[in-house]
Amino acid sequence: DIQMTQSPSTLSASVGDRVTITCRASQDIGSWLAWYQQKPGKAPHLLIYGASSLESGVPSRFSGSGSGTEFTLTISSLQPDDFATYYCQQYDTYSTFGGGTKVEI
Amino acid sequence: EVQLVESGGGLVQPGRSLRLSCAASGFTFDDYAMHWVRQAPGKGLEWVSSITWSSDQIAYADSVKGRFTISRDNAKNSLDLQMDSLRPDDTALYYCAKGAYPGPAEDWGQGTLVTVSA
Repeated sequence: DIQMTQSPSTLSASVGDRVTITCRASQDIGSWLAWYQQKPGKAPHLLIYGASSLESGVPSRFSGSGSGTEFTLTISSLQPDDFATYYCQQYDTYSTFGGGTKVEI
Repeated sequence: EVQLVESGGGLVQPGRSLRLSCAASGFTFDDYAMHWVRQAPGKGLEWVSSITWSSDQIAYADSVKGRFTISRDNAKNSLDLQMDSLRPDDTALYYCAKGAYPGPAEDWGQGTLVTVSA
């Protein structure tokens, strides 16, 4: 099975900060990676697919990069609405989610 | 507007069965693969199962293989998850989601809560 490891598990940041979250796959998954945002009590929301393609309607301050085994989600300038938990997901072989990164104030 | 509405959750004893359903609307159901993803209370997301639009490809997480069965009825725009031999660690909020296979989950329902406890 493919394991997905996210870091950090918690990130403290301020409005306006540049934030980077890392996701590592236990084996090569090409670009078969997505990123989601989840707020408390809500369903996850797709941000990025194909490692770097921005889902329609998602603000351009979100970006994704990487391929193979190492990936990053970057928020260029953190906004109040961005405080949430972020998950990566591989869909190369079945599917696996990372453990999540909580972005807090 | 895409709508995915899960139902069928509840409290069930270990070893018993439960059937979840997901009613889809606002999109052409048989154009998309469908997924079940769960989230235990206070924990992260766990992929459970996926099914292609034609049901010709089906996949399960190891944790549910042999106990859960995914199915869909394209005529009724519905997705089901039959859960047998339930265990306490199956306790979670179960989401249905639409997407590609393989592919990410583009749209999600609000989930239905399954609690497995004696």
